[in-house]
Amino acid sequence: AQSVTQLGSHVSVSEGALVLLRCNYSSSVPPYLFWYVQYPNQGLQLLLKYTTGATLVKGINGFEAEFKKSETSFHLTKPSAHMSDAAEYFCAAGTYKYIFGTGTRLKVLA
Amino acid sequence: GAVVSQHPSRVICKSGTSVKIECRSLDFQATTMFWYRQFPKKSLMLMATSNEGSKATYEQGVEKDKFLINHASLTLSTLTVTSAHPEDSSFYICSAETSGGSSYEQYFGPGTRLTVT
Repeated sequence: AQSVTQLGSHVSVSEGALVLLRCNYSSSVPPYLFWYVQYPNQGLQLLLKYTTGATLVKGINGFEAEFKKSETSFHLTKPSAHMSDAAEYFCAAGTYKYIFGTGTRLKVLA
Repeated sequence: GAVVSQHPSRVICKSGTSVKIECRSLDFQATTMFWYRQFPKKSLMLMATSNEGSKATYEQGVEKDKFLINHASLTLSTLTVTSAHPEDSSFYICSAETSGGSSYEQYFGPGTRLTVT
């Protein structure tokens, strides 16, 4: 069965620092992979997705993620954190149905 | 493009009453819509998958008689919480998948906050 693990339910970074949010999936067949952001009391907004092809995926708001099959990982990064990046981030895997990770709350310190 | 709306955004109802939540794809046709439930500070839990014109497929542990799902058209799915109880209070989010899509991307609605008193 597929599962998605997000290490660290809370991550704090200083404004301007590197953001690294970790996601590992468990699947015999690499699924499609997604990162979503959720602001308080709002739905999910797609940051980026990996389906096939290039393993380094660039998304919106300066985020990118790299699919590493050997590590079954799809970590999300951003070179320089901004205050507006503070939100909840969800990694998801799947094709027809998604399996979501438990989420990581990103806090950006001034 | 690919905008999904939900109505209402917030609803408060009394215990024992039913409440209907609408999910609409505004600028595309969605053969498949998904309903999720999100508990406070928790991840999204898939409740059911609905396909236009057919019965919804419920995930294990989700009561189909309590959470009625209707997908009457390619742009509208509704979730009715019947005989609501306080434990049904939650954030309900729908998503829609475009017809013929090859990337299995789901577009999410803004969510509906249900509070049962």
